[in-house]
Amino acid sequence: EAAVTQSPRNKVAVTGGKVTLSCNQTNNHNNMYWYRQDTGHGLRLIHYSYGAGSTEKGDIPDGYKASRPSQENFSLILELATPSQTSVYFCASGDALGGEDTQYFGPGTRLLVL
Amino acid sequence: GEKVEQHESTLSVREGDSAVINCTYTDTASSYFPWYKQEAGKGLHFVIDIRSNVDRKQSQRLIVLLDKKAKRFSLHITATQPEDSAIYFCAARNNYAQGLTFGLGTRVSVFP
Repeated sequence: EAAVTQSPRNKVAVTGGKVTLSCNQTNNHNNMYWYRQDTGHGLRLIHYSYGAGSTEKGDIPDGYKASRPSQENFSLILELATPSQTSVYFCASGDALGGEDTQYFGPGTRLLVL
Repeated sequence: GEKVEQHESTLSVREGDSAVINCTYTDTASSYFPWYKQEAGKGLHFVIDIRSNVDRKQSQRLIVLLDKKAKRFSLHITATQPEDSAIYFCAARNNYAQGLTFGLGTRVSVFP
């Protein structure tokens, strides 16, 4: 199974501050994803990437940027954090085979914006 | 866009019995349906998936059924054990989307 790690695991930020969430995968998957998980909404896709240098908007990209500097690393950036971005963030990686890939998830980052 | 409804929010089953979780989807183009398990404080762990070219798939005690006509798929956990207690998420994806669309999750509790 793919190894996906996230850092930090927990983060407290202030409103208006900048937050960077990092994700690393060691299985050489092309695709990487950022989701957030909220009660009543399940998991929702924020950004994804096809490979190094690529970032694409998901279903709820507003207020977030992403960066994929290498095959292994994918970051989610909150330039001006707001309390509504308090959530649990999951990174995932996968390889599209015939358009259908299995996504493997990291352990999550719990973010609290005060 | 795609919407996935997970019909049971909680499920309580006696150890050894079967648990069934039902999901429906809206996009007829969806062709990939994975299931994930989430234990307390942890990430999502892939457990099984089914693709639209089949209507049944089994992996050990897990069975997934897909009814494309009804746009419904289900996870059957047979001979449940205490370690099956967790939140289970269904998801769907079509060939032109990248991300998965998730249901809201079902909390399964297995009691002795």
